[in-house]
Amino acid sequence: TQLLEQSPQFLSIQEGENLTVYCNSSSVFSSLQWYRQEPGEGPVLLVTVVTGGEVKKLKRLTFQFGDARKDSSLHITAAQPGDTGLYLCAGEGDMRFGAGTRLTVKP
Amino acid sequence: NAGVTQTPKFQVLKTGQSMTLQCAQDMNHNSMYWYRQDPGMGLRLIYYSASEGTTDKGEVPNGYNVSRLNKREFSLRLESAAPSQTSVYFCASSVGTVLYEQYFGPGTRLTVT
Repeated sequence: TQLLEQSPQFLSIQEGENLTVYCNSSSVFSSLQWYRQEPGEGPVLLVTVVTGGEVKKLKRLTFQFGDARKDSSLHITAAQPGDTGLYLCAGEGDMRFGAGTRLTVKP
Repeated sequence: NAGVTQTPKFQVLKTGQSMTLQCAQDMNHNSMYWYRQDPGMGLRLIYYSASEGTTDKGEVPNGYNVSRLNKREFSLRLESAAPSQTSVYFCASSVGTVLYEQYFGPGTRLTVT
């Protein structure tokens, strides 16, 4: 069983601030995905990271996969209210999701 | 394209009643999934179907059954609903189970009283 722990569980910030959320496991993953879920909707894929140490950028979002492929981080620069949502990480293999970080960006 | 559709959107059941949640995808995906989402627990996999004709248990299969009716449709059945099954249920599909993006439906909010 590969457990994914996400932190923080909740995060409330002002528009324009930077933030980082984390996804950690004691197990090695061959790949890891990040999804964003808005209220009343299903999750939508943001990115898949595959290689240890990999960094992927999606506009103001930067995703990093740890060298040992046990952890990942999501950094948002200059957060906007549209970034509000539940951010979930998922490890490939057993289709298991973390509990998520609920982000609120206040205008 | 509708993507992944789920019916119903909302349902209230009494303890012991049965019901089937329907899911269909129009993307010609091979793999389909059923998850439940509870506050503070993220998404937990109930059952999945890697390809038409196969189904496998996920993390929390007890109290549920599934049917992969054809490539498009994957249903989830609760034979005797319990209050612990109150949750939001999501169906998802993907091209395959390895490294592929999962596309999610809008969810079914189920309350068991």
